[in-house]
Amino acid sequence: AQKVTQAQTEISVVEKEDVTLDCVYETRDTTYYLFWYKQPPSGELVFLIRRNSFDEQNEISGRYSWNFQKSTSSFNFTITASQVVDSAVYFCALSESTGNQFYFGTGTSLTVIP
Amino acid sequence: DGGITQSPKYLFRKEGQNVTLSCEQNLNHDAMYWYRQDPGQGLRLIYYSQIVNDFQKGDIAEGYSVSREKKESFPLTVTSAQKNPTAFYLCASSPRGLRSYEQYFGPGTRLTVT
Repeated sequence: AQKVTQAQTEISVVEKEDVTLDCVYETRDTTYYLFWYKQPPSGELVFLIRRNSFDEQNEISGRYSWNFQKSTSSFNFTITASQVVDSAVYFCALSESTGNQFYFGTGTSLTVIP
Repeated sequence: DGGITQSPKYLFRKEGQNVTLSCEQNLNHDAMYWYRQDPGQGLRLIYYSQIVNDFQKGDIAEGYSVSREKKESFPLTVTSAQKNPTAFYLCASSPRGLRSYEQYFGPGTRLTVT
């Protein structure tokens, strides 16, 4: 079973629209960490945010915001007033207190149309 | 500038040949990782290393080998035993081999085997 599910394979929005990328995770650990990465066309993954399981506060960074809800095992990512430069593949990832690896979702490809 | 370098960016090989992908980091990170990315499948862990002279297999280690003789370097060899070697390969590092730390990624090497 997938530990991290990103059900949206591709999303297209028009510039200045808001868009939310969904991430649902599965773990039995009480301590775990969630991450979002951006992969622009160049290919290099860029770290966006880390959240631990004990911190359910939502976070805002400029046009980016993250909504962490343990009750639904979700860690959704919203881009407000999207821009063409936001076009990329976005990955959600999970690391658990047991084991030694990250589990990545399959990614959501976002296209922002000018 | 500190970061992770992978070379070359594009690599072409004939079937049956071994090929080594380079990964170097000057971030003084203890842990290093190799991932494989195929379209629609996200990132899959090949090997990881938490300290020099030590490494562990990830989910898809068959047909691959690594070495960690220096802290800065973690080369990956794709052997002829790897059935489908054509893919995008990403190297990453983190400050320690602990799950709470985000991973920093290199620009990737796109390998094509014909």
